[in-house]
Amino acid sequence: EVHLVESGGGLVQPGGSLRLSCAASGFTFTNYEMNWVRQVPGKGLEWVSYISSSGSTIYYADSVKGRFTISRDNAKNSLYLQMNSLRADDTAVYYCARDQGNGGGFDYWGQGTLVTVSS
Amino acid sequence: SYELTQPPSVSVSPGQTASTTCSGDKLGDKYACWYQQKPGQSPVLVIYQDSKRPSGIPERFSGSNSGNTATLTISGTQAMDEADYYCQAWDSSAYVFGTGTKVTVL
Repeated sequence: EVHLVESGGGLVQPGGSLRLSCAASGFTFTNYEMNWVRQVPGKGLEWVSYISSSGSTIYYADSVKGRFTISRDNAKNSLYLQMNSLRADDTAVYYCARDQGNGGGFDYWGQGTLVTVSS
Repeated sequence: SYELTQPPSVSVSPGQTASTTCSGDKLGDKYACWYQQKPGQSPVLVIYQDSKRPSGIPERFSGSNSGNTATLTISGTQAMDEADYYCQAWDSSAYVFGTGTKVTVL
């Protein structure tokens, strides 16, 4: 069974940093593209970042470009999101999601981890 | 940047058909996906590649995509279908989610 488990969320001050992790199991992680998606409580979904199966191709939303870094360790079946220069409007639940590619959508999602940026 | 627009809300009676739309420039030239999200839960993929259903998604969920509009249709809507629905597409090296539609089963 496919499982995605995020961790690393919490309270951080504006300007601070946080690293999110997503532990994957139940599938061959190295075969799949992955994404981070966030959602402000009570609001809509916002795509944050994409990484190809090998890690060679990466994309970011304009709202996080230059501040966030996505990465993966295929040997550890793990996805990461390094978040720097955090702002209040980065406060959200962050989900990792498996990407089927070629319009196949995000077929598995984690339970999410809450990031709160506040002084 | 690319935008996908959805109506904020749709209401439907149990057993009836609910349809919601997703509008974007030349959306029909891209693949559209749809997600269902219930309160306190992670999103669930209900339609991919415009009209395909993932394993485990009931046949009452269907999708289409043409021109500037993608449509999600729920036939024989059940109370359990009450949720927020989001469309999604890929454009210019970025995924875009729609604004979301709350489907209420009255």
